[in-house]
Amino acid sequence: EAQVTQNPRYLITVTGKKLTVTCSQNMNHEYMSWYRQDPGLGLRQIYYSMNVEVTDKGDVPEGYKVSRKEKRNFPLILESPSPNQTSLYFCASRPTGQVNSPLHFGNGTRLTVT
Amino acid sequence: AQSVTQLGSHVSVSEGALVLLRCNYSSSVPPYLFWYVQYPNQGLQLLLKYTSAATLVKGINGFEAEFKKSETSFHLTKPSAHMSDAAEYFCAVGKAAGNKLTFGGGTRVLVKP
Repeated sequence: EAQVTQNPRYLITVTGKKLTVTCSQNMNHEYMSWYRQDPGLGLRQIYYSMNVEVTDKGDVPEGYKVSRKEKRNFPLILESPSPNQTSLYFCASRPTGQVNSPLHFGNGTRLTVT
Repeated sequence: AQSVTQLGSHVSVSEGALVLLRCNYSSSVPPYLFWYVQYPNQGLQLLLKYTSAATLVKGINGFEAEFKKSETSFHLTKPSAHMSDAAEYFCAVGKAAGNKLTFGGGTRVLVKP
């Protein structure tokens, strides 16, 4: 089954404790992206990747890191999480960088930072 | 910069009634427009998209949207709401030949029996 898989689904952590949210897609998509969803703000892009070893900042990259060493994986790293990073996070992919091809989303990771 | 405005963060409709969700966008060039739906505890799924072909776009589950360039709008409608339509709906806009998709703030739909 074609899918985007994120882990974990739920994560509670404390300020400053490094964490990684994994994302994997099995559709051989070139483009992958991370979003955070906050009430009333919709989805805001954190980072995106056009292909292996090619990553770029989105609208809200501060406090986050990503890497794209393999085509299928695009982990999101929070080196020192803070409470304002409490949010619902989505990984998404699409076949190419062209915006007219639809995004495929994972089921989300709900992160709470205390 | 492109932006998307969804009027109304919450909409309540009765089962069988018309569903109308409003979306206005700003874009300096002809856009691609999308509606996505998010069911509880799930990721977003594509409902429909406009990519400069027909201005009336039909999507899944009986939804459709009309692109009106003069009004910079892409409102989503469904003639008769079903309980299963209860979800959050997001409008999104992207520039042709670009890679960035900008999302609106979302509209949560509640369907009353």
